[in-house]
Amino acid sequence: ETGVTQSPTHLIKTRGQQVTLRCSSQSGHNTVSWYQQALGQGPQFIFQYYREEENGRGNFPPRFSGLQFPNYSSELNVNALELDDSALYLCASSLATGENYEQYFGPGTRLTVT
Amino acid sequence: AQSVTQLDSHVSVSEGTPVLLRCNYSSSYSPSLFWYVQHPNKGLQLLLKYTSAATLVKGINGFEAEFKKSETSFHLTKPSAHMSDAAEYFCVVSDQGGFQKLVFGTGTRLLVSP
Repeated sequence: ETGVTQSPTHLIKTRGQQVTLRCSSQSGHNTVSWYQQALGQGPQFIFQYYREEENGRGNFPPRFSGLQFPNYSSELNVNALELDDSALYLCASSLATGENYEQYFGPGTRLTVT
Repeated sequence: AQSVTQLDSHVSVSEGTPVLLRCNYSSSYSPSLFWYVQHPNKGLQLLLKYTSAATLVKGINGFEAEFKKSETSFHLTKPSAHMSDAAEYFCVVSDQGGFQKLVFGTGTRLLVSP
């Protein structure tokens, strides 16, 4: 088990609603990345936060936004939910940004949009 | 952009027989490559990584992978499968954009029968 925790474990929302997912990074890690894993697919990179600033972003619309707090925990916010947003959302923390630093993944939040 | 292709969506083996999970990569430069494993209801766990040192990389739980530049391959092997190896395996490349963005393949489900 890594020291990365995510909440909630499962969530059911209705199309058009907004959702906030939370991630607590491993102790000492200042970088958090978020990924979306649709059923039967590999995870896709949403964005990364490094020391409270967005450090990079994948091909996701602006209704996907995030925050990183001074304690390096993080939130993923999704507005105007669509059915296709149903997925497992994974966060990963690392000691720093850059490819020499291993990303440690949390267990994920399963979001279902109806 | 970097990408990986996992050549088999499912691989079935018997316990005690060798495992081979195939992965080809596409990269314009020497890539960083990884294999991750995902057990049901668990987070992603790093099995091994290649970062331009030795071409034969040893990982956890008896897994290893060989980087072959001439074949653009990074296949994962294990000499003898165990029932606990049954899981989803992802080949991953790091897309160097000033930060570590992991690009995942579509995954290979490994089934191990007694």
